[in-house]
Amino acid sequence: AQSVTQPDIHITVSEGASLELRCNYSYGATPYLFWYVQSPGQGLQLLLKYFSGDTLVQGIKGFEAEFKRSQSSFNLRKPSVHWSDAAEYFCAVGLGGGYNKLIFGAGTRLAVHP
Amino acid sequence: DAMVIQNPRYQVTQFGKPVTLSCSQTLNHNVMYWYQQKSSQAPKLLFHYYDKDFNNEADTPDNFQSRRPNTSFCFLDIRSPGLGDAAMYLCATRRGLRDQETQYFGPGTRLLVL
Repeated sequence: AQSVTQPDIHITVSEGASLELRCNYSYGATPYLFWYVQSPGQGLQLLLKYFSGDTLVQGIKGFEAEFKRSQSSFNLRKPSVHWSDAAEYFCAVGLGGGYNKLIFGAGTRLAVHP
Repeated sequence: DAMVIQNPRYQVTQFGKPVTLSCSQTLNHNVMYWYQQKSSQAPKLLFHYYDKDFNNEADTPDNFQSRRPNTSFCFLDIRSPGLGDAAMYLCATRRGLRDQETQYFGPGTRLLVL
């Protein structure tokens, strides 16, 4: 069955530090992969997506993610975190086939210390 | 700005009292989705529409119904809310059925059941 695992429930980093959020997926076919961010009480905003081609994907707000097929991973990175990045981050796999149902991971809550 | 709008942002209802949540979009997208997101959990797809073609997820309770009277609007009806239905309900839209199309999320409606 398709699934997405985000091993870290909570992560705390200092402002200006680098960040890496982990995501592993289980899916038999070539995955469509997404990272969304959710601020408290808000909906989901797309940070970036991978469909094919270059395995290093650039997104908004200075985020990037790297698709590694051999590791079934799609980790999100940012070189220097800002206090406004504090939020919950969801990794998702799209199943394609038209409706492209999204299967989400449980999320990683990011706290940023000044 | 074109966007996905959800009303109300917060809804309080009583156990067993029917409630309707609303989603509208100015994106003129063909596909609309409803997700349920319980506290500290990943969003879970309830159902989706392509135009008026309705698709129910297999594990969506019968208590949940949906209507899409036109392209712009989609409603989620909970016929007899239980305490376990307290959650954030997210509406999303997508232009079409190409796998590369992105889902755009609204801000969500937080439902409280007393």
